[in-house]
Amino acid sequence: SQQGEEDPQALSIQEGENATMNCSYKTSINNLQWYRQNSGRGLVHLILIRSNEREKHSGRLRVTLDTSKKSSSLLITASRAADTASYFCATDARGGSEKLVFGKGTKLTVNP
Amino acid sequence: GAGVSQSPRYKVTKRGQDVTLRCDPISSHATLYWYQQALGQGPEFLTYFNYEAQPDKSGLPSDRFSAERPEGSISTLTIQRTEQRDSAMYRCASSLGRGGQETQYFGPGTRLLVL
Repeated sequence: SQQGEEDPQALSIQEGENATMNCSYKTSINNLQWYRQNSGRGLVHLILIRSNEREKHSGRLRVTLDTSKKSSSLLITASRAADTASYFCATDARGGSEKLVFGKGTKLTVNP
Repeated sequence: GAGVSQSPRYKVTKRGQDVTLRCDPISSHATLYWYQQALGQGPEFLTYFNYEAQPDKSGLPSDRFSAERPEGSISTLTIQRTEQRDSAMYRCASSLGRGGQETQYFGPGTRLLVL
């Protein structure tokens, strides 16, 4: 079963615009990670945010975490056509196994 | 190696046949994970290894699925008596240590099609 739910399921924007994707999860977590999957390729780790952190930046990426709402958001600023991919959040359940549980993903299309 | 590799990249088999998928993790990585990913879905955890130990295989869908990592490096995932519902992308990942705080590095996956 998948814990995370990304929202929206699909997002289409123009190059240069910002893209925001949301992730909600069900159980308490230690960490939340975001991964990107290009069409036909493997998953690439983007960023990890710990449960005691509220915001983290990496280049054009900004991730927030609200543990009281069990939600996270990924913001990509000044999007590029190369950002076109599916984006997944993944969580590890506190007190549980060390596995990652992935959501269903948001499919982002950035139009040139 | 430079990254996680998987073989074969594509596998077409007939229902009832056994298949074995291979994962070669990054050489310094202690932990290895197997995931199953259906089209349009996120990866779903199958099992993981810490070196050769297999602490969690709760995600394996049935006893037809088994995984090994006998020397703590290369791992194989075997599906016996394949069924059409086993058709999916099978992804392997490795990480330096254990736990959700570690970045997992994914291989390109093996796309399995059961006819």
